Amino acid sequence: EAGVAQSPRYKIIEKRQSVAFWCNPISGHATLYWYQQILGQGPKLLIQFQNNGVVDDSQLPKDRFSAERLKGVDSTLKIQPAKLEDSAVYLCASSTLGHQGTEAFFGQGTRLTVV
Amino acid sequence: GDSVTQMEGPVTLSEEAFLTINCTYTATGYPSLFWYVQYPGEGLQLLLKATKADDKGSNKGFEATYRKETTSFHLEKGSVQVSDSAVYFCALSAPNTGFQKLVFGTGTRLLVSP
Repeated sequence: EAGVAQSPRYKIIEKRQSVAFWCNPISGHATLYWYQQILGQGPKLLIQFQNNGVVDDSQLPKDRFSAERLKGVDSTLKIQPAKLEDSAVYLCASSTLGHQGTEAFFGQGTRLTVV
Repeated sequence: GDSVTQMEGPVTLSEEAFLTINCTYTATGYPSLFWYVQYPGEGLQLLLKATKADDKGSNKGFEATYRKETTSFHLEKGSVQVSDSAVYFCALSAPNTGFQKLVFGTGTRLLVSP
């Protein structure tokens, strides 16, 4: 079974530039997550989709971050304009519909450096 | 709100030493509890989980017991190996989110020397 695919693996941009990350979840997984992991911290949920609808985006900085999940499959996370504090690893994860013990499967992440 | 607290690292051990990484949680109701591991250069992967009180999750020699009375889910291993060097994250998903939102601790780095 193929895992969660993310691209690119690494990205370096200057502040105020824009950047986009792509995620392809495990086939059949209804739920897709984007997490931000700042160095030395645990992953923080940015946005959660169920199929192509947003379930939770309460911690997404909506003035600069946006995300979409077209057709309930692939997803794109965009930052525009980027700030220095956006430097982090962006993790995509997917899971089946939630029940006790539902496991989330993670991609390898995209490491973003804003200079 | 729901939260997870882990002991700070790094934890530095010699090979074959006993490992304990402490984790406590705050949540409404009976959450599901998880340990995820992140090896260098890789994504997070599930190590073990438990879904109800007194359940013991186990995998690859690691164990953790869901303790409702102390709201804890400490990770243990009897004899660590160099290959266990990684960052370990405790996490929960709570019934008030339909068990669909994972809340992570800050992670504990484990360094095992030969």
